[in-house]
Amino acid sequence: DTEVTQTPKHLVMGMTNKKSLKCEQHMGHRAMYWYKQKAKKPPELMFVYSYEKLSINESVPSRFSPECPNSSLLNLHLHALQPEDSALYLCASSQGTRASGNTIYFGEGSWLTVV
Amino acid sequence: AQTVTQSQPEMSVQEAETVTLSCTYDTSESDYYLFWYKQPPSRQMILVIRQEAYKQQNATENRFSVNFQKAAKSFSLKISDSQLGDAAMYFCAYRALTQGGSEKLVFGKGTKLTVNP
Repeated sequence: DTEVTQTPKHLVMGMTNKKSLKCEQHMGHRAMYWYKQKAKKPPELMFVYSYEKLSINESVPSRFSPECPNSSLLNLHLHALQPEDSALYLCASSQGTRASGNTIYFGEGSWLTVV
Repeated sequence: AQTVTQSQPEMSVQEAETVTLSCTYDTSESDYYLFWYKQPPSRQMILVIRQEAYKQQNATENRFSVNFQKAAKSFSLKISDSQLGDAAMYFCAYRALTQGGSEKLVFGKGTKLTVNP
Protein backbone atom coordinates (compact mmCIF):
# COMPACT_ATOMS: atom_id res chain seq x y z
CA ASP A 1 0.00 0.00 0.00
CA THR A 2 1.64 3.19 -1.18
CA GLU A 3 -1.12 5.64 -0.43
CA VAL A 4 -0.88 9.24 0.61
CA THR A 5 -4.29 10.78 1.21
CA GLN A 6 -4.96 14.50 0.93
CA THR A 7 -8.05 16.46 1.89
CA PRO A 8 -9.77 18.45 0.63
CA LYS A 9 -9.26 17.82 -3.06
CA HIS A 10 -10.49 21.31 -3.89
CA LEU A 11 -10.55 24.43 -1.75
CA VAL A 12 -11.68 27.94 -2.54
CA MET A 13 -10.88 30.55 0.06
CA GLY A 14 -10.94 34.28 0.44
CA MET A 15 -7.88 36.29 1.28
CA THR A 16 -9.02 36.79 4.87
CA ASN A 17 -9.96 33.17 5.52
CA LYS A 18 -8.12 30.59 7.60
CA LYS A 19 -8.14 27.07 6.23
CA SER A 20 -6.06 23.93 6.44
CA LEU A 21 -4.90 21.23 4.06
CA LYS A 22 -4.50 17.76 5.51
CA CYS A 23 -2.33 14.83 4.55
CA GLU A 24 -2.20 11.31 5.95
CA GLN A 25 -0.08 8.24 5.29
CA HIS A 26 -0.05 4.83 6.95
CA MET A 27 3.09 3.40 5.39
CA GLY A 28 5.24 4.00 8.45
CA HIS A 29 7.12 6.72 6.63
CA ARG A 30 9.06 9.17 8.80
CA ALA A 31 9.55 11.96 6.29
CA MET A 32 6.70 14.05 4.94
CA TYR A 33 6.73 16.88 2.44
CA TRP A 34 4.69 19.75 1.11
CA TYR A 35 5.20 20.77 -2.51
CA LYS A 36 3.54 23.60 -4.42
CA GLN A 37 2.89 23.25 -8.13
CA LYS A 38 1.79 25.99 -10.46
CA ALA A 39 0.30 25.21 -13.86
CA LYS A 40 2.79 23.80 -16.37
CA LYS A 41 5.60 23.93 -13.84
CA PRO A 42 7.37 21.24 -11.81
CA PRO A 43 6.60 20.89 -8.12
CA GLU A 44 8.53 23.19 -5.80
CA LEU A 45 9.47 22.03 -2.33
CA MET A 46 8.00 24.03 0.55
CA PHE A 47 8.58 22.06 3.74
CA VAL A 48 10.08 18.79 4.91
CA TYR A 49 9.34 17.08 8.19
CA SER A 50 11.71 14.37 9.33
CA TYR A 51 10.69 12.32 12.35
CA GLU A 52 8.00 14.89 13.11
CA LYS A 53 10.44 17.79 13.23
CA LEU A 54 10.62 20.54 10.66
CA SER A 55 13.75 19.82 8.66
CA ILE A 56 13.44 22.18 5.72
CA ASN A 57 11.60 25.44 5.17
CA GLU A 58 12.35 26.65 1.67
CA SER A 59 11.86 30.32 2.59
CA VAL A 60 8.10 29.96 2.46
CA PRO A 61 6.04 33.02 3.53
CA SER A 62 4.64 32.84 7.04
CA ARG A 63 1.07 32.82 5.73
CA PHE A 64 1.79 29.10 5.19
CA SER A 65 2.23 27.27 8.48
CA PRO A 66 3.02 23.54 8.51
CA GLU A 67 2.25 21.20 11.37
CA CYS A 68 3.08 17.56 11.95
CA PRO A 69 0.92 16.30 14.84
CA ASN A 70 2.26 12.76 14.57
CA SER A 71 4.20 10.54 12.21
CA SER A 72 1.15 9.85 10.04
CA LEU A 73 -0.30 13.33 9.69
CA LEU A 74 0.84 16.53 8.07
CA ASN A 75 -1.16 19.75 7.95
CA LEU A 76 -0.67 22.99 6.10
CA HIS A 77 -2.44 25.93 7.73
CA LEU A 78 -3.33 28.78 5.43
CA HIS A 79 -4.03 32.35 6.46
CA ALA A 80 -4.19 35.66 4.60
CA LEU A 81 -3.25 34.10 1.30
CA GLN A 82 -2.86 35.97 -1.94
CA PRO A 83 -4.37 35.10 -5.32
CA GLU A 84 -0.89 34.12 -6.55
CA ASP A 85 -0.90 31.35 -3.96
CA SER A 86 -3.51 29.53 -6.02
CA ALA A 87 -1.90 26.25 -7.03
CA LEU A 88 -1.89 22.50 -6.58
CA TYR A 89 -0.46 21.54 -3.20
CA LEU A 90 1.09 18.10 -3.13
CA CYS A 91 1.85 16.12 -0.03
CA ALA A 92 4.41 13.35 -0.17
CA SER A 93 6.13 10.90 2.12
CA SER A 94 9.16 8.63 2.20
CA GLN A 95 10.82 6.27 4.63
CA GLY A 96 13.14 9.08 5.53
CA THR A 97 16.40 7.24 5.96
CA ARG A 98 19.36 8.04 3.78
CA ALA A 99 20.66 4.55 3.29
CA SER A 100 17.70 3.17 1.42
CA GLY A 101 17.48 5.82 -1.28
CA ASN A 102 13.83 6.11 -0.63
CA THR A 103 11.17 6.66 -3.17
CA ILE A 104 9.01 9.66 -2.42
CA TYR A 105 5.31 8.91 -2.84
CA PHE A 106 2.82 11.62 -3.64
CA GLY A 107 -0.81 12.19 -2.84
CA GLU A 108 -3.36 13.34 -5.39
CA GLY A 109 -2.98 16.95 -4.35
CA SER A 110 -5.26 19.69 -3.12
CA TRP A 111 -6.32 22.32 -5.60
CA LEU A 112 -6.34 25.69 -3.91
CA THR A 113 -7.98 28.78 -5.35
CA VAL A 114 -7.62 32.08 -3.53
CA VAL A 115 -10.22 34.68 -4.45
CA ALA B 1 23.58 22.40 -6.19
CA GLN B 2 22.09 19.64 -8.24
CA THR B 3 20.20 20.52 -11.41
CA VAL B 4 18.02 18.50 -13.74
CA THR B 5 17.44 19.44 -17.36
CA GLN B 6 14.74 18.15 -19.67
CA SER B 7 15.33 19.65 -23.08
CA GLN B 8 12.11 18.49 -24.73
CA PRO B 9 9.09 20.52 -23.57
CA GLU B 10 6.77 18.41 -25.70
CA MET B 11 6.92 15.08 -27.49
CA SER B 12 4.41 13.05 -29.42
CA VAL B 13 4.26 9.40 -30.40
CA GLN B 14 1.92 7.15 -32.30
CA GLU B 15 0.11 4.50 -30.35
CA ALA B 16 2.15 1.26 -30.23
CA GLU B 17 5.35 3.06 -31.17
CA THR B 18 8.40 3.77 -29.03
CA VAL B 19 9.44 7.14 -27.68
CA THR B 20 12.46 8.33 -25.68
CA LEU B 21 12.40 11.24 -23.28
CA SER B 22 15.71 12.91 -22.46
CA CYS B 23 17.07 14.02 -19.12
CA THR B 24 20.47 15.25 -18.02
CA TYR B 25 21.57 16.22 -14.55
CA ASP B 26 24.47 17.75 -12.75
CA THR B 27 25.83 16.58 -9.42
CA SER B 28 29.09 16.14 -7.58
CA GLU B 29 27.82 13.15 -5.62
CA SER B 30 28.91 9.65 -6.54
CA ASP B 31 25.97 7.81 -4.99
CA TYR B 32 22.50 9.04 -5.83
CA TYR B 33 19.09 8.09 -7.12
CA LEU B 34 17.17 9.17 -10.16
CA PHE B 35 13.46 8.92 -10.85
CA TRP B 36 10.93 9.38 -13.58
CA TYR B 37 7.50 10.49 -12.45
CA LYS B 38 4.37 10.69 -14.58
CA GLN B 39 1.69 13.30 -13.97
CA PRO B 40 -1.52 12.71 -15.94
CA PRO B 41 -4.28 15.31 -16.15
CA SER B 42 -5.53 14.11 -12.76
CA ARG B 43 -2.30 15.71 -11.47
CA GLN B 44 -1.20 12.88 -9.16
CA MET B 45 2.53 12.30 -9.40
CA ILE B 46 3.05 8.62 -10.14
CA LEU B 47 6.41 6.91 -9.91
CA VAL B 48 7.34 5.32 -13.22
CA ILE B 49 10.84 4.04 -12.59
CA ARG B 50 13.90 4.60 -10.40
CA GLN B 51 17.60 4.05 -10.90
CA GLU B 52 20.33 3.68 -8.31
CA ALA B 53 23.54 5.29 -9.55
CA TYR B 54 25.72 2.52 -8.20
CA LYS B 55 23.95 -0.03 -10.38
CA GLN B 56 25.30 -0.30 -13.90
CA GLN B 57 22.26 -2.21 -15.10
CA ASN B 58 19.52 -0.05 -16.50
CA ALA B 59 16.21 -0.22 -14.66
CA THR B 60 13.18 -1.70 -16.40
CA GLU B 61 9.52 -1.72 -15.46
CA ASN B 62 7.37 -3.48 -18.02
CA ARG B 63 7.18 -1.14 -21.06
CA PHE B 64 9.34 1.48 -19.39
CA SER B 65 13.12 1.38 -19.35
CA VAL B 66 15.93 3.82 -18.82
CA ASN B 67 19.26 4.43 -20.48
CA PHE B 68 21.48 5.52 -17.62
CA GLN B 69 24.84 6.91 -18.67
CA LYS B 70 26.58 7.90 -15.45
CA ALA B 71 29.66 9.43 -16.99
CA ALA B 72 27.57 11.56 -19.30
CA LYS B 73 25.06 12.29 -16.50
CA SER B 74 22.23 11.26 -18.75
CA PHE B 75 19.05 9.45 -17.74
CA SER B 76 16.60 8.95 -20.59
CA LEU B 77 13.26 7.16 -20.42
CA LYS B 78 12.12 4.82 -23.17
CA ILE B 79 8.45 3.93 -23.47
CA SER B 80 7.77 0.94 -25.69
CA ASP B 81 4.41 0.04 -27.24
CA SER B 82 2.99 3.42 -26.26
CA GLN B 83 -0.58 3.45 -25.04
CA LEU B 84 -3.13 6.25 -24.88
CA GLY B 85 -2.91 6.10 -21.10
CA ASP B 86 0.75 7.05 -21.27
CA ALA B 87 -0.19 10.58 -22.25
CA ALA B 88 0.99 12.78 -19.40
CA MET B 89 3.63 15.18 -18.20
CA TYR B 90 6.83 13.31 -17.39
CA PHE B 91 9.25 14.67 -14.84
CA CYS B 92 12.81 13.55 -14.36
CA ALA B 93 13.95 13.94 -10.76
CA TYR B 94 17.14 13.69 -8.75
CA ARG B 95 17.09 12.74 -5.09
CA ALA B 96 19.14 15.28 -3.18
CA LEU B 97 20.13 15.16 0.44
CA THR B 98 19.76 18.22 2.61
CA GLN B 99 22.08 19.36 5.38
CA GLY B 100 19.66 17.95 7.90
CA GLY B 101 19.79 14.54 6.27
CA SER B 102 16.35 14.77 4.74
CA GLU B 103 15.69 13.86 1.16
CA LYS B 104 14.14 16.05 -1.43
CA LEU B 105 13.49 15.77 -5.12
CA VAL B 106 14.94 18.19 -7.64
CA PHE B 107 12.73 18.14 -10.70
CA GLY B 108 13.32 18.95 -14.32
CA LYS B 109 10.82 21.20 -16.07
CA GLY B 110 8.95 18.27 -17.54
CA THR B 111 8.12 16.85 -20.95
CA LYS B 112 4.53 16.73 -22.09
CA LEU B 113 3.91 13.48 -23.95
CA THR B 114 1.02 13.17 -26.39
CA VAL B 115 0.01 9.76 -27.69
CA ASN B 116 -1.78 9.81 -31.02
CA PRO B 117 -4.25 7.02 -31.90
